Amino acid sequence: AQSVAQPEDQVNVAEGNPLTVKCTYSVSGNPYLFWYVQYPNRGLQFLLKYITGDNLVKGSYGFEAEFNKSQTSFHLKKPSALVSDSALYFCAVRDSRGNNRLAFGKGNQVVVIP
Amino acid sequence: ETGVTQTPRHLVMGMTNKKSLKCEQHLGHNAMYWYKQSAKKPLELMFVYNFKEQTENNSVPSRFSPECPNSSHLFLHLHTLQPEDSALYLCASSPTEGDAVGDNQPQHFGDGTRLSIL
Repeated sequence: AQSVAQPEDQVNVAEGNPLTVKCTYSVSGNPYLFWYVQYPNRGLQFLLKYITGDNLVKGSYGFEAEFNKSQTSFHLKKPSALVSDSALYFCAVRDSRGNNRLAFGKGNQVVVIP
Repeated sequence: ETGVTQTPRHLVMGMTNKKSLKCEQHLGHNAMYWYKQSAKKPLELMFVYNFKEQTENNSVPSRFSPECPNSSHLFLHLHTLQPEDSALYLCASSPTEGDAVGDNQPQHFGDGTRLSIL
């Protein structure tokens, strides 16, 4: 079965500094990887995905993520954090072989300090 | 506008009440999902429907009863709930589920129903 680990409960970063949210995954086959963001009182919004091809994936709101197969990681990054980036971030993985459900991590709270 | 609408946004009910949560999607998708979100826990998948057929029941207690009359609408009927059922219930949709076309597509979420059991 597939699974995701988001090791940090909360990430604090000063506005303007680089932001990194960590994600490692476990699948038997090749992974489909996703990042979502959740603002207060809202549902999850899709940010970006890795399916195949270039390991560096660019998404919405200036976010990007790098797929690293050897480290089974898919960390989310943003070069310069904004206060409005404060939210809950979820990593998710699905085994590409089919008949497997999307598995979510527990989420990371990001707090951007003005 | 997310394309997936959930009603009501908030619901407070007693343990003996019966209520229903509603989800509607305007994206032309064929798969719909119910998730339970509790604080500091991974999203728990509850049910999956693909082309109106239930394809997943993730060991959900029978006090939760889903209904999918068509590919655009999904309901979650609630009865005799317990205090531990208090959570945010999220509905999502995707083009399809369990095939090469749909599995690499993101799911689209509604804003959820915040359920409180007294």
